[in-house]
Amino acid sequence: EVQLVESGGGLVKPGGSLRLSCAASGFTFRSYTMNWVRQAPGKGLEWVSSINSGSSYIYYAGSVKGRFTISRDNAKNSLYLQMNSLRAEDTAVYYCARGDSDSSAYYAPDEYFQHWGQGTLVTVSS
Amino acid sequence: QSVLTQPPSASGTPGQRVTISCSGSSSNIGDNTVNWYQQLPGTAPKLLIYSNNQRPSGVPDRFSGSKSGTSASLAISGLQSEDEADYYCAAWDDSLNGYVFGTGTKVTVL
Repeated sequence: EVQLVESGGGLVKPGGSLRLSCAASGFTFRSYTMNWVRQAPGKGLEWVSSINSGSSYIYYAGSVKGRFTISRDNAKNSLYLQMNSLRAEDTAVYYCARGDSDSSAYYAPDEYFQHWGQGTLVTVSS
Repeated sequence: QSVLTQPPSASGTPGQRVTISCSGSSSNIGDNTVNWYQQLPGTAPKLLIYSNNQRPSGVPDRFSGSKSGTSASLAISGLQSEDEADYYCAAWDDSLNGYVFGTGTKVTVL
């Protein structure tokens, strides 16, 4: 069974930093693209970042580019999101999601998010 | 801020058919496949439709998706009380070089 478990959320002051982790199990982690998607309280879904299996393709939403860094450790079956210069508008539940595709070669537009974690809450407030 | 526009709400009585629209542009829906997600209250999103009209294993065939030009639609036939949820379309955007989600539609079963 595919399992994705996020951790690392919490309360942080504006301008502060936080590192989220996502522990994966039940599948061959090194073979899949991984993603972060967030949801502010009472709001819709917002894609944050994607990283392909070999970390050679990395994408960010404009709202986090230059402040957030996605990374992965395939030996540890783990995905990370380093969040710096946090703002109040970054307050959200952060989900990690596995990218799936019917294509054998990586092509970001073809990917969809079939498996999601339960999310971890990040609150940015003074 | 979202580039994919959905109606904020939709409703129907049990057994009815409900359709949710998702309007985009040539840089997202017009050029790439559309996926749909269902989010029940207090839970993580769930993939409902991928590649415009494909259902993952376990998703009832009451749910169907379609795409035409720069718009897409999700149809729920035989509406059931457990279908009360928020629904989001999503697609890759070539101009933004990232994924975009729709504004979301809350479906209510009357």
